[in-house]
Amino acid sequence: GAGVSQSPSNKVTEKGKDVELRCDPISGHTALYWYRQSLGQGLEFLIYFQGNSAPDKSGLPSDRFSAERTGGSVSTLTIQRTQQEDSAVYLCASSLVQDRVQPQHFGDGTRLSIL
Amino acid sequence: GDSVTQMEGPVTLSEEAFLTINCTYTATGYPSLFWYVQYPGEGLQLLLKATKADDKGSNKGFEATYRKETTSFHLEKGSVQVSDSAVYFCALRGNNQGGKLIFGQGTELSVKP
Repeated sequence: GAGVSQSPSNKVTEKGKDVELRCDPISGHTALYWYRQSLGQGLEFLIYFQGNSAPDKSGLPSDRFSAERTGGSVSTLTIQRTQQEDSAVYLCASSLVQDRVQPQHFGDGTRLSIL
Repeated sequence: GDSVTQMEGPVTLSEEAFLTINCTYTATGYPSLFWYVQYPGEGLQLLLKATKADDKGSNKGFEATYRKETTSFHLEKGSVQVSDSAVYFCALRGNNQGGKLIFGQGTELSVKP
């Protein structure tokens, strides 16, 4: 597609369940980023992929969070044993390459609500 | 580490008023600077960018100039419209952090008719 696609757009789940969030970047974009947007914390970086490798996972808040990218394209962010503090909008972005000049293009996000 | 500070909102203006949203940054090296906009219920959209000192980014009547001497990238528009109501985020991107964006806290703008 023309833009970054994320699914689902909304997810409501019970505390303790696992969730998977999907991101389909712009075709040809080698760099992929996950961010989290929450009321108290603003926009926080989670993890970045260059191709299928994740050189920077420093933003993942706990070991319950993991992500992978396959075929240099689609990425999945997995949250295990969800907690209420995981409720947020999870944003995915991609850019042509990972240098500072290229802008990042964002998807519409997945709104995650933990009951 | 690198950081971005924006003026706090919400900012409420009447239609056709002049807009300034202040943004200052702290960074090592020479980052690129961006303004993103988030309209209600939508994702982040790139509004404009500047990649080196004294560059001016512009789009949709908005402008911002990369000022290295004052480490600033203030967003301006001469005459705002109701449709400009949104949250505006200033961000920087350096080369030495995998190119991740560092965001300011966002400034909510509300334009009244």
